[in-house]
Amino acid sequence: QVQLVESGGGLVKPGGSLRLSCVASGFTFTDHYMNWIRQAPGKGLEWVSYINRGGDVIHHAASVRGRFTISRDNAKNSLYLQMNSLGVDDTAIYYCAREDSGGYRILDFWGQGTLVTVSS
Amino acid sequence: YVLTQAPSVSVAPGQTARLTCGGDNIGSRNVHWYQQRPGQAPVLVIYDENNRPSGIPERFSGSNSGNTATLTISRVEAGDEADYHCQVWDSNVHHCVFGGGTKLTVL
Repeated sequence: QVQLVESGGGLVKPGGSLRLSCVASGFTFTDHYMNWIRQAPGKGLEWVSYINRGGDVIHHAASVRGRFTISRDNAKNSLYLQMNSLGVDDTAIYYCAREDSGGYRILDFWGQGTLVTVSS
Repeated sequence: YVLTQAPSVSVAPGQTARLTCGGDNIGSRNVHWYQQRPGQAPVLVIYDENNRPSGIPERFSGSNSGNTATLTISRVEAGDEADYHCQVWDSNVHHCVFGGGTKLTVL
């Protein structure tokens, strides 16, 4: 069955860095664009980044541009999010999500998320 | 592009819940809806306005016209209590956009 398993979250001080990972299984990873979406405590969903199948096209939300970088390793069925210069506003659960293979930009499957807490 | 959802909607069991998502000419866009039960990850329930993924009950349906998209849940059950998020893709800026979410309470 389709699985997306995130890891790498934790407690980090303001200004610090973290690298999130998402391992995919149960489907052909290279058929899908992938995304990171986050959810601050008690808040709604906020899209963070997406990456195309080959990994050569990426886009980030304005709130993270220049600080976060999405990447993927198709040989390892893995998606990553390198997060630098973290601030308290980056505290959230970070979800990786798969897009449909038809290119309709539908987030058809989500992982369970990993919690990032930025605090001194 | 901004999507606007009411913060909360309450409905009695067995009744019909209508959750709206407002946006400028949203009727021209493909709208998707996600259900998020407490402490869980979001799950796709409606895509492209009125299509249900496998496993989603027929009680869930969608519509989209003008400036409002609507998720309709018929014969509401206690298990439908969740946050519901609408979403579109803004191809002009290569961004995915979410509404603020609506908390559905089953009385």
